[in-house]
Amino acid sequence: QKEVEQNSGPLSVPEGAIASLNCTYSDRGSQSFFWYRQYSGKSPELIMFIYSNGDKEDGRFTAQLNKASQYVSLLIRDSQPSDSATYLCASYGSSASKIIFGSGTRLSIRP
Amino acid sequence: DAGVIQSPRHEVTEMGQEVTLRCKPISGHNSLFWYRQTMMRGLELLIYFNNNVPIDDSGMPEDRFSAKMPNASFSTLKIQPSEPRDSAVYFCASSPGQFYTGELFFGEGSRLTVL
Repeated sequence: QKEVEQNSGPLSVPEGAIASLNCTYSDRGSQSFFWYRQYSGKSPELIMFIYSNGDKEDGRFTAQLNKASQYVSLLIRDSQPSDSATYLCASYGSSASKIIFGSGTRLSIRP
Repeated sequence: DAGVIQSPRHEVTEMGQEVTLRCKPISGHNSLFWYRQTMMRGLELLIYFNNNVPIDDSGMPEDRFSAKMPNASFSTLKIQPSEPRDSAVYFCASSPGQFYTGELFFGEGSRLTVL
């Protein structure tokens, strides 16, 4: 079992709709969770991090964390074509003492 | 700030040759990471340094891989001898050191092709 799992996609969402990206993790000791965006041929860039149960909002992005279910999600409201990218979920925990990435979900926003 | 600088951006070499990848982290960042990205395995952590000291090299595939950080502004990842399965994009990233924020700043990557 991978430590951080994501559906590879592609996930296709119409422009203006809500895109929902999901991630599960296996290490219950994980403390912090991150969403990175990676455009094709580019390097990953941090969008959001979350370490408390519940929701965290930043503009059109909302990260959700449920530690009991070991589940993290990213919602993108009013999806734009520029949101088309691969989204990487990552975790950090004291047991691993390092940041571990999932394999990413490819998101495509169709006009 | 110029960001994390990696070189070369692209490298094509033949099996058995030595490959050296270079990285200059962001000034003031005290943690440096080497990641490898492939379609099959995603983004894998190879090794990371804190204050120039290797902290965790458990991701280094085998003895053919070695990494050094002689000072705060320079690191190398060396593969000797290289093999076709080493073909990947190698990213260097630096961080201010606060792991719980997960704020890694990635370089543009070095795309390695081993023939």
